[in-house]
Amino acid sequence: KAGVTQTPRYLIKTRGQQVTLSCSPISGHRSVSWYQQTPGQGLQFLFEYFSETQRNKGNFPGRFSGRQFSNSRSEMNVSTLELGDSALYLCASSLGTDTNEKLFFGSGTQLSVL
Amino acid sequence: GDSVTQMEGPVTLSEEAFLTINCTYTATGYPSLFWYVQYPGEGLQLLLKATKADDKGSNKGFEATYRKETTSFHLEKGSVQVSDSAVYFCALSNNQGGKLIFGQGTELSVKP
Repeated sequence: KAGVTQTPRYLIKTRGQQVTLSCSPISGHRSVSWYQQTPGQGLQFLFEYFSETQRNKGNFPGRFSGRQFSNSRSEMNVSTLELGDSALYLCASSLGTDTNEKLFFGSGTQLSVL
Repeated sequence: GDSVTQMEGPVTLSEEAFLTINCTYTATGYPSLFWYVQYPGEGLQLLLKATKADDKGSNKGFEATYRKETTSFHLEKGSVQVSDSAVYFCALSNNQGGKLIFGQGTELSVKP
């Protein structure tokens, strides 16, 4: 069974630009969550989608948004990039049927904002 | 709000040494507790979990017991190997699907 796939693996953008990251969950998983990982703040929850609906949201500004498609694939968008958005963005998938279930993580997209 | 506190690293051990990484949490209700591991250049992998008080999670020689009275979930391994070198994250889930609250992570380096 293929794991969680994130594309692209690396991205370099400049301040003010926008970026879209993609995540393909494990087949059969309907929940996709996004996390930001930085050396200073650690791992922080961005949002979770289940069956194309945002079910949970973290404390990030509105520049961070996401969506989920009918095949459970998800995209995350960051608009008006700031230097502080440089981070590893991790996507995780799960069945979505148990609120405390195991998450399966992708390898992440490393975003650098110059 | 809910939070997780881990001992700071890095932790450097010799092969076959005993490992303890401390983790304490603050949460309302009855969260589930997890240990995830991140190897260089990779995402996180679940190492073990416990869903209620006094549960012991175990995997690959690692163990952790859910202690509600001390709000702790310390990770232990009796004999570490070089291949255990990674960053270890303690986390909790409190009935909010997909949302894990992580500790800061503890980097472990095991020398031959």
